[in-house]
Amino acid sequence: GAVVSQHPSWVICKSGTSVKIECRSLDFQATTMFWYRQFPKQSLMLMATSNEGSKATYEQGVEKDKFLINHASLTLSTLTVTSAHPEDSSFYICSVRAVTSGEKLFFGSGTQLSVL
Amino acid sequence: ELKVEQNPLFLSMQEGKNYTIYCNYSTTSDRLYWYRQDPGKSLESLFVLLSNGAVKQEGRLMASLDTKARLSTLHITAAVHDLSATYFCAGSQGGSEKLVFGKGTKLTVNP
Repeated sequence: GAVVSQHPSWVICKSGTSVKIECRSLDFQATTMFWYRQFPKQSLMLMATSNEGSKATYEQGVEKDKFLINHASLTLSTLTVTSAHPEDSSFYICSVRAVTSGEKLFFGSGTQLSVL
Repeated sequence: ELKVEQNPLFLSMQEGKNYTIYCNYSTTSDRLYWYRQDPGKSLESLFVLLSNGAVKQEGRLMASLDTKARLSTLHITAAVHDLSATYFCAGSQGGSEKLVFGKGTKLTVNP
């Protein structure tokens, strides 16, 4: 079964609104989660590392004020796209490593965001 | 800075044929991952390769790692239509779980 639950699967919003995406690790605790973005027909790019109980670490070029990450518990990280614009339209995916899975990293089902 | 290059980016093949996808990386990578992605879906973990000479096989897919050449391969044997998908390789560095992905190889297996 799924190790990581991400939702919503897709969201359509108006420009200027904010959208929250949730990533939950199921049946295990995750002190670290990762958020990736994938533009159509392109590869995945790491946006940020979400750390439980502390501030997220953002990759170069990613605006921390635009992409707010909260990792308030050991099983939940949220990514909020604030004041979304059409150029933020993308597929957002979280990933987690479960200790019991060895070296495998598990990905959420992804969220397709379309900003009108 | 780790960079990962995959080729080919597009691959169209007939059922029953064999082919190899190549993944080169620029600096030492602790681990090398292979993932499969179906359209509109997330990533499915295929293999994790940890050491030089590692070879893993599952069904018609076999992955290998040559750390000296900084090369990993994903070999497809007797392809079937169900293998049509985009395949990504990814590396990680410095004990980090942050992945650097290749651009992906879109595989189409034709009947």
